[in-house]
Amino acid sequence: DGGITQSPKYLFRKEGQNVTLSCEQNLNHDAMYWYRQDPGQGLRLIYYSQIVNDFQKGDIAEGYSVSREKKESFPLTVTSAQKNPTAFYLCASTRAFLGGANVLTFGAGSRLTVL
Amino acid sequence: AQSVSQHNHHVILSEAASLELGCNYSYGGTVNLFWYVQYPGQHLQLLLKYFSGDPLVKGIKGFEAEFIKSKFSFNLRKPSVQWSDTAEYFCAVSLAGNTGKLIFGQGTTLQVKP
Repeated sequence: DGGITQSPKYLFRKEGQNVTLSCEQNLNHDAMYWYRQDPGQGLRLIYYSQIVNDFQKGDIAEGYSVSREKKESFPLTVTSAQKNPTAFYLCASTRAFLGGANVLTFGAGSRLTVL
Repeated sequence: AQSVSQHNHHVILSEAASLELGCNYSYGGTVNLFWYVQYPGQHLQLLLKYFSGDPLVKGIKGFEAEFIKSKFSFNLRKPSVQWSDTAEYFCAVSLAGNTGKLIFGQGTTLQVKP
């Protein structure tokens, strides 16, 4: 079955450490997104990428970095500069941009806890 | 900046009660509107969407939503909820001609009592 695989599902990190969350899709989608979900705040966009080797900052990019070296992969690194990294992280993807009329497919998410 | 506001953060209903969840957005241009749902332990998934045409759209599991342009609203409704509708519901907006990125509301947790 096609879909989005996020790993790890749960991750614990000490303060000051960088951590990388994996997102892989086999849907042949062009665009990929990273959202952060916090209780009572909905989903906020961190980074997105419409094509390989290109990505743009979302609304809360500070303290995060991404790469898009392959179409199917869009890893997110949470750096030590992110002030409040404990959250639930969701990866999503969609077909080529359709003028905003894109339905996103989401992964199961990764829950990061900073100790 | 564009924003999406969901008025109800936590709703508790008994089975067979009617449901209406409010959603308003702040953007004067052409928008695409979505409701996504996250059932306990499951992926976030699309419930319904509006791109153009009939402002009353129907989605899965008996849900519907009405786009009222003059009110910048896209409220979600269901005439009779079931216990299995217990979930978190998110309203989202994408701006036509934009990069496809969605702006989400804060979410509404719906708890349906059997």
